[in-house]
Amino acid sequence: GAGVSQSPSNKVTEKGKDVELRCDPISGHTALYWYRQRLGQGLEFLIYFQGNSAPDKSGLPSDRFSAERTGESVSTLTIQRTQQEDSAVYLCASSQTRNTEAFFGQGTRLTVV
Amino acid sequence: AQSVTQPDIHITVSEGASLELRCNYSYGATPYLFWYVQSPGQGLQLLLKYFSGDTLVQGIKGFEAEFKRSQSSFNLRKPSVHWSDAAEYFCAVDDNYGQNFVFGPGTRLSVLP
Repeated sequence: GAGVSQSPSNKVTEKGKDVELRCDPISGHTALYWYRQRLGQGLEFLIYFQGNSAPDKSGLPSDRFSAERTGESVSTLTIQRTQQEDSAVYLCASSQTRNTEAFFGQGTRLTVV
Repeated sequence: AQSVTQPDIHITVSEGASLELRCNYSYGATPYLFWYVQSPGQGLQLLLKYFSGDTLVQGIKGFEAEFKRSQSSFNLRKPSVHWSDAAEYFCAVDDNYGQNFVFGPGTRLSVLP
């Protein structure tokens, strides 16, 4: 596609349920990032994938959060047993290689009620 | 690990006035530096980037930024602000050594008519 695509754009879920967020990066982009942005806050790094290397998971806030990416394709971010503090916009970005411009998706707005 | 600070949480300027948004980073070597803008309800868009060479870089929408190694700064400037510039501005750093792409907390710009 022309840009980074994220789905769903909005998700409302009940506390305790699991959710899965999807990111389609720009074709050919080897690097993929997930960020979390709480209301009125900056971007909080979650996880980084670079090609087939082991991902950098240093930003994941708890073991309820996990992410997968197969090769240079789609990535999914999974949040298990969601809590109200998980409510935020989850942003995905991809770049052709490290240190080139990162293109962002529109984000998934997650609301945990 | 590197960090990015943006000392101003919120700045208000009048339309037509000049603008400078501050960004400081903490990192031993010269990182790759970026400014992104997030307009209300929009995704993040790259304004400009610095990798090496001329320390004054030009970006889109009439923005420029100057890298000052001695001050560890990468301030964003615009000589004449337009009402459409009202948005959240994020400075970001990539250290090119496998660490993640770090964003500052953001500066919210309001523009008075």
